[in-house]
Amino acid sequence: GAVVSQHPSWVICKSGTSVKIECRSLDFQATTMFWYRQFPKQSLMLMATSNEGSKATYEQGVEKDKFLINHASLTLSTLTVTSAHPEDSSFYICSARFQNIQYFGAGTRLSVL
Amino acid sequence: GQNIDQPTEMTATEGAIVQINCTYQTSGFNGLFWYQQHAGEAPTFLSYNVLDGLEEKGRFSSFLSRSKGYSYLLLKELQMKDSASYLCAVSRITGGGNKLTFGTGTQLKVEL
Repeated sequence: GAVVSQHPSWVICKSGTSVKIECRSLDFQATTMFWYRQFPKQSLMLMATSNEGSKATYEQGVEKDKFLINHASLTLSTLTVTSAHPEDSSFYICSARFQNIQYFGAGTRLSVL
Repeated sequence: GQNIDQPTEMTATEGAIVQINCTYQTSGFNGLFWYQQHAGEAPTFLSYNVLDGLEEKGRFSSFLSRSKGYSYLLLKELQMKDSASYLCAVSRITGGGNKLTFGTGTQLKVEL
């Protein structure tokens, strides 16, 4: 299967700071990547769809100014959580589709103090 | 809208067979996926069904009936390491492309 790499795997930050998460497709090109958020004991919720060379598409209820997405190349998408607050603490997972199968990165656990 | 239902939790014995069911309602259906997720880790792809019928892959099989909006994941010869959450996910075609929506997951506990 295809490999999706996500970095960092965990991050602790102070309230009010910004955190950037990177997602890379290692052995394939991805014009579209997906960002999910998962709270404890809950399922994955799609936050936004990242499109290479154009604006991301956000799901209803997700603030685009809060969660900045940049997809500058065919192998890299970044999610920046701006002015993070404790309620933003969650598990963030990126995903990319290769030959009809959606593969996931290892996830980033964000803890905002 | 969409609705994906699967049992919250199941318990089975090592060496046995377990079937995890998933029912869904959606428009623009474009396939059904099963993923395995261990606690604190990202989901791992298990199977993909887009046509009716059974797909077999080693100890794991997945079945789909599009007319009934129904799928199941069958795990044979259960091992302790199979204890995990199993996520049913429906892919649908939208104006923004293909989107994958997940069910709440079935927490499977394999016991001796």
